[in-house]
Amino acid sequence: QQQVKQSPQSLIVQKGGISIINCAYENTAFDYFPWYQQFPGKGPALLIAIRPDVSEKKEGRFTISFNKSAKQFSLHIMDSQPGDSATYFCAASRKAYNTDKLIFGTGTRLQVFP
Amino acid sequence: NAGVMQNPRHLVRRRGQEARLRCSPMKGHSHVYWYRQLPEEGLKFMVYLQKENIIDESGMPKERFSAEFPKEGPSILRIQQVVRGDSAAYFCASSPPGPKETQYFGPGTRLLVL
Repeated sequence: QQQVKQSPQSLIVQKGGISIINCAYENTAFDYFPWYQQFPGKGPALLIAIRPDVSEKKEGRFTISFNKSAKQFSLHIMDSQPGDSATYFCAASRKAYNTDKLIFGTGTRLQVFP
Repeated sequence: NAGVMQNPRHLVRRRGQEARLRCSPMKGHSHVYWYRQLPEEGLKFMVYLQKENIIDESGMPKERFSAEFPKEGPSILRIQQVVRGDSAAYFCASSPPGPKETQYFGPGTRLLVL
């Protein structure tokens, strides 16, 4: 029940295209859903996050779509650029007493070709 | 404002030796989290600490692993009698008090056990 399932494992997109990464969760107590971007040899960096009281959040070229009833959320990268090539992780956490560890998906390696 | 700092960035140990990983949180952050990332996998939560207190250690292996966050100084993740399976990237994240969801990650320590 603590798992977050992420797909696809890898994704190849042409420059200017849309990249879509999907995640699904089981624990309905999760109430915070961030996406992290990680470049090789670096730590994960927070990209965008959403709470379940909204169905969509957009920041620049990055959009999170959230479907509470289906327990799914996805990251859309519009106008994908070669500089977006990285590994993307979805995560989830819950507001429990004194702990809010992040449960991560297994990651999606995105490659954007010129 | 400097980010989360971790040292060393790379650490090589022989089987049976001890590994000490250090994490200095961002200024003003009093919550520290440790995660482990095995090759080609997502991050797994290990432990959550506040100053002088372990809040959640549900992800820590029962033996050989310990963590502390003293009143003064960095947080330390200690691995005794390392084995080859401990080879991984260890990431520290910190967050401020109050709304705790936004965790900022350090660059990680890559541990290689020979």
